[in-house]
Amino acid sequence: RKEVEQDPGPFNVPEGATVAFNCTYSNSASQSFFWYRQDCRKEPKLLMSVYSSGNEDGRFTAQLNRASQYISLLIRDSKLSDSATYLCVVRGGGSYIPTFGRGTSLIVHP
Amino acid sequence: DTGVSQNPRHKITKRGQNVTFRCDPISEHNRLYWYRQTLGQGPEFLTYFQNEAQLEKSRLLSDRFSAERPKGSFSTLEIQRTEQGDSAMYLCASSGTGGAPADTQYFGPGTRLTVL
Repeated sequence: RKEVEQDPGPFNVPEGATVAFNCTYSNSASQSFFWYRQDCRKEPKLLMSVYSSGNEDGRFTAQLNRASQYISLLIRDSKLSDSATYLCVVRGGGSYIPTFGRGTSLIVHP
Repeated sequence: DTGVSQNPRHKITKRGQNVTFRCDPISEHNRLYWYRQTLGQGPEFLTYFQNEAQLEKSRLLSDRFSAERPKGSFSTLEIQRTEQGDSAMYLCASSGTGGAPADTQYFGPGTRLTVL
């Protein structure tokens, strides 16, 4: 089993739709969780950290479920500009080395 | 621009040649990471520095790969005797110490290597 697993997609949604991605992780000692966004042929950029209590930033909501070992990202009112790959990142207890998922591709169409 | 910078942005080389990439992290960050990314995959960890000390290396980092961070500032990644399988985007990231959000990683634009 891979350490961090994501459905590669693509998720093809119309503008205005709500879309959700999940990411599962295998290391129960993981302590830090992030979502990064990566545009085609660009570097990953931090979208948001994921806290135990969940957090929201505008149209984006991230949640952590430690019991089931997954994190989620919800995007409401999708915009064309949300089209990108969303990378799930997990860092284990005692290690500074994060593990990236392969990413989920989102395509928002008119 | 106070972000992470990488040079060169693109490198085309012939198989068997040596290449060297440079990364300049955000000035106040003491942690520096190198990753490799191929199409359709997430970044794969290569190596990690805290200040000038190389603290961890991935099994992916064969003996043809070497990284340095001599003064705890910029870092170089050298690939000797390049192979076609080395073609990838090489990403550098830096972060501070302490808990979130200080330890959030910020990435440079990457160096795209093509080995012919």
